[in-house]
Amino acid sequence: DTEVTQTPKHLVMGMTNKKSLKCEQHMGHRAMYWYKQKAKKPPELMFVYSYEKLSINESVPSRFSPECPNSSLLNLHLHALQPEDSALYLCASSQALRGAGGELFFGEGSRLTVL
Amino acid sequence: QKEVEQNSGPLSVPEGAIASLNCTYSDRGSQSFFWYRQYSGKSPELIMFIYSNGDKEDGRFTAQLNKASQYVSLLIRDSQPSDSATYLCAVKGLTGGGNKLTFGTGTQLKVEL
Repeated sequence: DTEVTQTPKHLVMGMTNKKSLKCEQHMGHRAMYWYKQKAKKPPELMFVYSYEKLSINESVPSRFSPECPNSSLLNLHLHALQPEDSALYLCASSQALRGAGGELFFGEGSRLTVL
Repeated sequence: QKEVEQNSGPLSVPEGAIASLNCTYSDRGSQSFFWYRQYSGKSPELIMFIYSNGDKEDGRFTAQLNKASQYVSLLIRDSQPSDSATYLCAVKGLTGGGNKLTFGTGTQLKVEL
């Protein structure tokens, strides 16, 4: 069983909706990540939080808004999405290490469909 | 040049054979190297990590790292049909405070009966 829990597992939304994806981990990790994955492509990094501060934003459109309320929780707020945003959204966590180490553990993902 | 490169495959091996998966990376400052297995429609699952030059063995899996050649590989011994999946090589450098993990495009492995 994964120790990174994502909800919901599936989400269908219209282009004018506002929704959120949620992620929770209880491994004491201080780095949390959002990745986006399209079919037959590798995961693509969106955001990284380290010690609850946003440390990486890979030039993601503002219709995606991340939030890290505390060290265990990570949200991704979605607004005015486009059909091409339909994908598997993966949350991951790791120890926040500058040197070697810090393997990422992924949740099961939230499959998003934008109509 | 892509940051992390893998042959997309598919790589087909017979059951019981050794599967060899390869990965090259461009950032010489990379510190940590990971292999993830991903079944279709599922999330990536960590199977090996390696930080130092040389070999690291875990059960049927062996990871090999050569930092001078910027090359990392994964060997799967006694391949089973259940090993059929996409194998993602991932590399962590110092970018973003050391927390940026970059994936290769993945190699699809098919283990045939």
